Amino acid sequence: EAGVTQFPSHSVIEKGQTVTLRCDPISGHDNLYWYRRVMGKEIKFLLHFVKESKQDESGMPNNRFLAERTGGTYSTLKVQPAELEDSGVYFCASSQMGQVIRDTEAFFGQGTRLTVV
Amino acid sequence: AQSVTQLDSHVSVSEGTPVLLRCNYSSSYSPSLFWYVQHPNKGLQLLLKYTSAATLVKGINGFEAEFKKSETSFHLTKPSAHMSDAAEYFCVVTSNFGNEKLTFGTGTRLTIIP
Repeated sequence: EAGVTQFPSHSVIEKGQTVTLRCDPISGHDNLYWYRRVMGKEIKFLLHFVKESKQDESGMPNNRFLAERTGGTYSTLKVQPAELEDSGVYFCASSQMGQVIRDTEAFFGQGTRLTVV
Repeated sequence: AQSVTQLDSHVSVSEGTPVLLRCNYSSSYSPSLFWYVQHPNKGLQLLLKYTSAATLVKGINGFEAEFKKSETSFHLTKPSAHMSDAAEYFCVVTSNFGNEKLTFGTGTRLTIIP
């Protein structure tokens, strides 16, 4: 069974450009999460989808970030326009529906390393 | 509010010797605690978790952790380190009251000396 897949694995863009990150969760997982690790800091929660609905987007840093999950399958995270401080590793995770995170396991992708120059 | 503090950013041990990675937590509510590991170019993998059952939790690859409420600690241990244990380890906390956010520590990079 395929795990959580993220594309691209690396992205280098210039300040002011737009970048779109993609996450394909494990098939059948209705919960999808985005996290981010800025260099030298802890991994921080960005948002949580249940199917196509945003359950919690309290961690989104500002309105330059837009996450979507049309159809409740894969998700995209767009950064527009990108700033230098957006550099970091963006992780996606998925888990089964109907179970809170402590009762199940969140499976993480390998992350997308974003560098804004 | 919840947080975790990983007391060491880097730990080096010799192969075959014990491993101790330290974690202290803070939580307004009864917490669930996890340890995740990330090997190079891989995703985060769950090692073990505590969710208010047994305080000594056994995980994969010979790792275990003990929940100590009086010390607010959840240290990760392994009796004998293996070269394949070299990775970054994250202590993670979440609330037991439906909060789906995982709160991560800053990570501990474990180096194994041959």
